[in-house]
Amino acid sequence: GEDVEQSLFLSVREGDSSVINCTYTDSSSTYLYWYKQEPGAGLQLLTYIFSNMDMKQDQRLTVLLNKKDKHLSLRIADTQTGDSAIYFCAEGSSNTGKLIFGQGTTLQVKP
Amino acid sequence: ETGVTQTPRHLVMGMTNKKSLKCEQHLGHNAMYWYKQSAKKPLELMFVYNFKEQTENNSVPSRFSPECPNSSHLFLHLHTLQPEDSALYLCASSQDRGFHNEQFFGPGTRLTVL
Repeated sequence: GEDVEQSLFLSVREGDSSVINCTYTDSSSTYLYWYKQEPGAGLQLLTYIFSNMDMKQDQRLTVLLNKKDKHLSLRIADTQTGDSAIYFCAEGSSNTGKLIFGQGTTLQVKP
Repeated sequence: ETGVTQTPRHLVMGMTNKKSLKCEQHLGHNAMYWYKQSAKKPLELMFVYNFKEQTENNSVPSRFSPECPNSSHLFLHLHTLQPEDSALYLCASSQDRGFHNEQFFGPGTRLTVL
């Protein structure tokens, strides 16, 4: 079935780069998404990538997609304390139209 | 108001109470969703509405009853809940159910069942 896996926790120092990884199983996924959830808030869409792309850059964010290995990553350059949050990877299933979410990666940024 | 709003933000209820969660979207979208977010579990899709019609019910117990009177409003009626139903309930909306399913989320209702 459809499944999305993420590591649960990542800790970095302010100013370093953060890389959050995600693997998915549905090879028919057309779009893949990264969402951010700050404490006490809902999910905020950060960026997305179409499945025929390898990379997408948006300011400090870089998304890399390895479709062969079904591996997605989100790189945050110059990580700031305000980036501390839970980051969710999600795949959009073209079979069902649903979004399948990973369990989220908690990013801790130390000053 | 802009985006997706949810009320109340926090709710404490007993197992015999009846309460309702409300979601409103100001984005002109046609699809709306209810998700349950529990600690240490992936986000669980509960219900999907598209153009006011329910298109998905992910085996949700009948003590949760959704209602979508129009494309802008979505309710979740709660009745005879269990303590394990305590969670953050998130509402989301998207333009439609197309394959680019960019969903916009509300802030959630933190529900505690005593």
